[in-house]
Amino acid sequence: AQSVTQLGSHVSVSEGALVLLRCNYSSSVPPYLFWYVQYPNQGLQLLLKYTTGATLVKGINGFEAEFKKSETSFHLTKPSAHMSDAAEYFCAVTSYGGATNKLIFGTGTLLAVQP
Amino acid sequence: DTAVSQTPKYLVTQMGNDKSIKCEQNLGHDTMYWYKQDSKKFLKIMFSYNNKELIINETVPNRFSPKSPDKAHLNLHINSLELGDSAVYFCASSRSGTGFFNEQFFGPGTRLTVL
Repeated sequence: AQSVTQLGSHVSVSEGALVLLRCNYSSSVPPYLFWYVQYPNQGLQLLLKYTTGATLVKGINGFEAEFKKSETSFHLTKPSAHMSDAAEYFCAVTSYGGATNKLIFGTGTLLAVQP
Repeated sequence: DTAVSQTPKYLVTQMGNDKSIKCEQNLGHDTMYWYKQDSKKFLKIMFSYNNKELIINETVPNRFSPKSPDKAHLNLHINSLELGDSAVYFCASSRSGTGFFNEQFFGPGTRLTVL
């Protein structure tokens, strides 16, 4: 079975500060890992993904995440927060499943950006 | 051009009623999904269809019945609505097939409120 744990349901940073959203996963098979962002009253948008290859992955809007197998982590970072980054962020895991992939989501982290 | 669309966006109804949510994708995908996001923002998969065949059915009450008339559509019908069905329902789609990862694209969501 696979699972995802997001530490911190609420994170608040100042504009221009480092953003760090934590995600730890559990998987008995090689995982595929994702970060999705959900702006208020909108659907989910893929920020970035790790499938295979380079462990540091870059996504949209200046976000990046590093897959660390030894720590079973996939933390999301951004060097400098912008007001427009305020949103709910979801980490998710799946495995190479053939016909269909079942995404297992974490409980989300609400990011607030203070001026 | 909307890739994954859902109708309606908002749905308010009384307990005991029957309602449907429609989903359409124009991405040429052959796998579609329904997810439920509860009031605490927790996202969980409900169903997945591949080429109109049910692939995933995640312990969902049989009051929920998905229907896929073709690969581009996956509708969700809910009978005898209960208060606990109030949530945001997201449709998603992806390609299928072995050998590569199947990114899921999400619709904007349908907010269902049962009174």
